[in-house]
Amino acid sequence: GQQVQQSPTSLVLQEGENAELQCNFSTSLNSMQWFYQRPGGSLVSVFYNPSGTKQSGRLTSTTVIKERRSSLHISSSQITDSGTYLCAMGRDTGGLSGKLTFGEGTQVTVIS
Amino acid sequence: NSKVIQTPRYLVKGQGQKAKMRCIPEKGHPVVFWYQQNKNNEFKFLINFQNQEVLQQIDMTEKRFSAECPSNSPCSLEIQSSEAGDSALYLCASSLRRVSNERLFFGHGTKLSVL
Repeated sequence: GQQVQQSPTSLVLQEGENAELQCNFSTSLNSMQWFYQRPGGSLVSVFYNPSGTKQSGRLTSTTVIKERRSSLHISSSQITDSGTYLCAMGRDTGGLSGKLTFGEGTQVTVIS
Repeated sequence: NSKVIQTPRYLVKGQGQKAKMRCIPEKGHPVVFWYQQNKNNEFKFLINFQNQEVLQQIDMTEKRFSAECPSNSPCSLEIQSSEAGDSALYLCASSLRRVSNERLFFGHGTKLSVL
């Protein structure tokens, strides 16, 4: 089964609206990250190793590793926020490798 | 902005042909990852390296894919005999440390189409 579940699958926002994206993990994890991907573009790290609540501009992540969940809040959405938001989990074992397991993303479309 | 450089940007191959793509990691990053992203947005980890040493790889990578990160040369991922199911975006990423809470820097990817 899917280890990383993201919701909603897609979202359409009116410019200026807020949104909350959810990420849930079905197994224990050591860490998680949030990424942003433009259509046809590379992934950009939004938050890495977040715990508790972290803010970067209009983005806020709230992560509770023990409860296997994280959310990403977008405030006052802008058209340039359109794209896919992906969360990923890490479960480093003794040998360590840094491998991440990704969710399938939430596709966000902001319209004027 | 990420300085991970992937080439080519697009690659079109016939079934059974070899497909090779390259990645130059961010300067000073010893850890390199390859991921496959299919049209359904599903990511699959393929392999990662620290310098020239393989850290972890999946079965598929062992059998039909080959990858290396030679010193002073770009890293590469090669599919020996392409199949239609290999059509995907291949993403290379690099980081400073081999732990999952380290920031990853991704390239733009190589979009492979196998006809």
